[in-house]
Amino acid sequence: RKEVEQDPGPFNVPEGATVAFNCTYSNSASQSFFWYRQDCRKEPKLLMSVYSSGNEDGRFTAQLNRASQYISLLIRDSKLSDSATYLCVVIPPGTGGFKTIFGAGTRLFVKA
Amino acid sequence: AAGVIQSPRHLIKEKRETATLKCYPIPRHDTVYWYQQGPGQDPQFLISFYEKMQSDKGSIPDRFSAQQFSDYHSELNMSSLELGDSALYFCASSLGLNTGELFFGEGSRLTVL
Repeated sequence: RKEVEQDPGPFNVPEGATVAFNCTYSNSASQSFFWYRQDCRKEPKLLMSVYSSGNEDGRFTAQLNRASQYISLLIRDSKLSDSATYLCVVIPPGTGGFKTIFGAGTRLFVKA
Repeated sequence: AAGVIQSPRHLIKEKRETATLKCYPIPRHDTVYWYQQGPGQDPQFLISFYEKMQSDKGSIPDRFSAQQFSDYHSELNMSSLELGDSALYFCASSLGLNTGELFFGEGSRLTVL
């Protein structure tokens, strides 16, 4: 089993739709979780951290479910500009935070 | 604000040649990471440095080596290049330990012919 697994893509949604991605992780002791966004041929950029209590940033909501070992990203009112690959990132314990593990990414296409 | 600077942005090499990629982290960032991303793949962790010392090692081939210098910039040296080394190489930096808040450079695209 891979350390971090994401929903297979691509997700094709119309503008204005709500879409959710999940990401599961295998190490139950993992402490830190993040969502990154990567546009085609560009570098990944931090979208948001995922806190235990969940957090929201505008149209984006991130949640952590420790019992089931997954994190989620919800995008409301999708915009064309949301089209990108979304990478979940997990930092397993005991590595000093240096071995940041990326999921394979979920591709999102938002259509007009 | 200053970002992570990588050079060169594009590099074309022949098989068995060597290549060196450079990374200049965000000022005051003390940790540098190298990732390799093949077409359609997720970024694969290669190696990282904290305060000029290697801190962790991922799937970096023995033909590759890297170091972080006193000014915190880092260089990734690749020798005996193979076709499969063609990829986008990202450098990222962060401030301090135990953070997943990485700031990536725009990447260096290596093509091996």
